[in-house]
Amino acid sequence: AQTVTQSQPEMSVQEAETVTLSCTYDTSESDYYLFWYKQPPSRQMILVIRQEAYKQQNATENRFSVNFQKAAKSFSLKISDSQLGDAAMYFCAYFPQGGSEKLVFGKGMKLTVNP
Amino acid sequence: EPEVTQTPSHQVTQMGQEVILRCVPISNHLYFYWYRQILGQKVEFLVSFYNNEISEKSEIFDDQFSVERPDGSNFTLKIRSTKLEDSAMYFCASLQGLYETQYFGPGTRLLVL
Repeated sequence: AQTVTQSQPEMSVQEAETVTLSCTYDTSESDYYLFWYKQPPSRQMILVIRQEAYKQQNATENRFSVNFQKAAKSFSLKISDSQLGDAAMYFCAYFPQGGSEKLVFGKGMKLTVNP
Repeated sequence: EPEVTQTPSHQVTQMGQEVILRCVPISNHLYFYWYRQILGQKVEFLVSFYNNEISEKSEIFDDQFSVERPDGSNFTLKIRSTKLEDSAMYFCASLQGLYETQYFGPGTRLLVL
């Protein structure tokens, strides 16, 4: 079974600084998708970024970028120029291409942004 | 931008009562999901639905749960006889195709007393 591990339950960062959130996963599949979702205090799940496993190029979305290491099964999220609005729970998630259709989530990491 | 909507946003019910949580997925999406998140815990998959039938369900999704797509727009989750441990945030999600991204609704916060 696929598993997703977020080993850091909490992190903090100073406003305008850069922070990296780590995620590892376990799968025997070669084709899959990885996601980072953000959950602010409203508890809505908001997509931050997506990475296709077949792509070697790391995904970027404005201030958000990932470091995808397929061999190491590592998928970290870098937030540059952190803003107060980035404070939230961040969930890493895995989605297989074919087979099971469900997203498998990590336990989440609480990010605090200090002014 | 199209979005998944859910109603109600909050629901309080007595143990043993039936609840129906409603979702309107994005209109051209074909795959529909329910997930739940107990406070402070990770998001857990409940069930996926495609072509008017359940395609996968988790061990959480027992006989107390059912899903339905009664018309072309709504997707519902029914809990027949709620238990205290059903208190959670319930998220609906939809997906256009299996190579796409799941988009989540804002969630329904269910509290069972």
